[in-house]
Amino acid sequence: SQKIEQNSEALNIQEGKTATLTCNYTNYSPAYLQWYRQDPGRGPVFLLLIRENEKEKRKERLKVTFDTTLKQSLFHITASQPADSATYLCAAASGGSYIPTFGRGTSLIVHP
Amino acid sequence: ETGVTQSPTHLIKTRGQQVTLRCSSQSGHNTVSWYQQALGQGPQFIFQYYREEENGRGNFPPRFSGLQFPNYSSELNVNALELDDSALYLCASSLDSSSYNEQFFGPGTRLTVL
Repeated sequence: SQKIEQNSEALNIQEGKTATLTCNYTNYSPAYLQWYRQDPGRGPVFLLLIRENEKEKRKERLKVTFDTTLKQSLFHITASQPADSATYLCAAASGGSYIPTFGRGTSLIVHP
Repeated sequence: ETGVTQSPTHLIKTRGQQVTLRCSSQSGHNTVSWYQQALGQGPQFIFQYYREEENGRGNFPPRFSGLQFPNYSSELNVNALELDDSALYLCASSLDSSSYNEQFFGPGTRLTVL
């Protein structure tokens, strides 16, 4: 079955460093991947979408890569701040499908 | 422009009961999707409504049903509640049913089944 895997262990980093989160997929050829931020007790907030024919996408301090050979997406936050602390979700869907499959998310904790 | 709203915020029900959750989509959006998010898990797709018709369904039993109204607001109904139905129920709206459209999530309804 299709699987989206994210590291279940929390990522702890110091303020100012770059946070890198990983999303791996198996039994799947997604046409695109999305990254969301979710704060406790809140709904996810869309951050970035990257398509299978794009290697990299940037938005301000955020960068996403999509490697179809490794079946992996990396999500980077540069110059991280304590306000970046949240759970980050990866979601994937096939072309033409409106049904995304979400990973369980990775918690990021940025220490001042 | 108002965002996606959901009601109620919290709900406690007992096993076997029925529940209705409500969602108002963002202004201008005609597509609503519902998700179930168990504690520590990612959201799981329940179904999507596009212009009042069900437009896709995830792996959920028929006791999960929905409606979309002419103003594009939506309801999620769950019959014969089970303990495992305890979760955060999220509604997300988008401009239309295109898979590349950004989804805007509401704050969710926390359902507890005792």
